[in-house]
Amino acid sequence: DGGITQSPKYLFRKEGQNVTLSCEQNLNHDAMYWYRQDPGQGLRLIYYSQIVNDFQKGDIAEGYSVSREKKESFPLTVTSAQKNPTAFYLCASSIVTGREQYFGPGTRLTVT
Amino acid sequence: DAKTTQPPSMDCAEGRAANLPCNHSTISGNEYVYWYRQIHSQGPQYIIHGLKNNETNEMASLIITEDRKSSTLILPHATLRDTAVYYCIVKNNNAGNMLTFGGGTRLMVKP
Repeated sequence: DGGITQSPKYLFRKEGQNVTLSCEQNLNHDAMYWYRQDPGQGLRLIYYSQIVNDFQKGDIAEGYSVSREKKESFPLTVTSAQKNPTAFYLCASSIVTGREQYFGPGTRLTVT
Repeated sequence: DAKTTQPPSMDCAEGRAANLPCNHSTISGNEYVYWYRQIHSQGPQYIIHGLKNNETNEMASLIITEDRKSSTLILPHATLRDTAVYYCIVKNNNAGNMLTFGGGTRLMVKP
């Protein structure tokens, strides 16, 4: 069954700690993305990757970092430099960038 | 400037067709119309997209006007599980061109 998985569904951290969110896809897609969604708002692009070992900043990359060592994996690290990290984080993938994107179920991060 | 305009909310009776409009009067010739939806607390779900011809798949139909300045997403037999926020997005398929999710239409399907 092909798809995108994100884990965990809910994550709680103390302020000042880095936290890594997992995203895995078995759709054989080249492109992967990370978005952030705040309550009642649309999605904002954090980072995207067009291919393995390559990634580009999105609109709100400050305080975040990513890696793309494998085609199927695109983990996102929320660093202590991110001023408002509490949000719903969504990972997506597409065959190539520009095409329709398929989203994971999301990780809800709460930092206190 | 927003590329698309959608009504903020709509209601639909269960079993009836839901027709969700979208205005995109400044659409360019190489831009597609995409529709996604997001059910509460879940990731967005791709529904359908089209360039100028009407499109149909197992989820919905997309009707694009001849001048391409507006479109309508049709859910032929809405169910309670179709209650969601529906996003109309205009973009070209060039590599690197990203999705921009605006406000969308909150569709409430009622029994």
